Amino acid sequence: RKEVEQDPGPFNVPEGATVAFNCTYSNSASQSFFWYRQDCRKEPKLLMSVYSSGNEDGRFTAQLNRASQYISLLIRDSKLSDSATYLCVVRVSGGYQKVTFGIGTKLQVIP
Amino acid sequence: GAGVSQSPSNKVTEKGKDVELRCDPISGHTALYWYRQSLGQGLEFLIYFQGNSAPDKSGLPSDRFSAERTGGSVSTLTIQRTQQEDSAVYLCASSLAQGGGYTFGSGTRLTVV
Repeated sequence: RKEVEQDPGPFNVPEGATVAFNCTYSNSASQSFFWYRQDCRKEPKLLMSVYSSGNEDGRFTAQLNRASQYISLLIRDSKLSDSATYLCVVRVSGGYQKVTFGIGTKLQVIP
Repeated sequence: GAGVSQSPSNKVTEKGKDVELRCDPISGHTALYWYRQSLGQGLEFLIYFQGNSAPDKSGLPSDRFSAERTGGSVSTLTIQRTQQEDSAVYLCASSLAQGGGYTFGSGTRLTVV
């Protein structure tokens, strides 16, 4: 089983739709979670951290379910500019910060 | 600097030649990571530095790959005797040791011909 698993998609959604991605992780010692966005032929950029209580940033909501070992990203009112690949990132903190990236979920928002 | 700087941004090299890729992390970031990404693929972990030491180099694909970091700052990834399968974008990221997200450089696009 991969340490971090994501559905690679693509998810094709119309403008204005709500779309959700999940990401599962296998290491129960994982402590930090992030969502990154990567545009075509660009480097990944931090979208948002994921906190235990869940957090929201505008149209984006991230949630963590430690019991089931998954995190989610919800995008409301999708815009064409949201088209990108969304990477799930998991870090096991401590003496050595092992970081694992998911393969990414591709989102295409269509007019 | 303000961001993670990588150089060169593009490198075309002949098969069999050695290349050096440079990463200049954000000042004060003690953790530094190298990844590579082939076209349409996910990020492949190569090596992690904490300060000048590399506690995890498990991702280096062969002994042709090596990396070092000096002064807790600049890192160099060296690929010897390059092969066509080494063609990819090599990304560097840095972060504060105590947490927070990572900042990536814009990468070096390596093409081996």
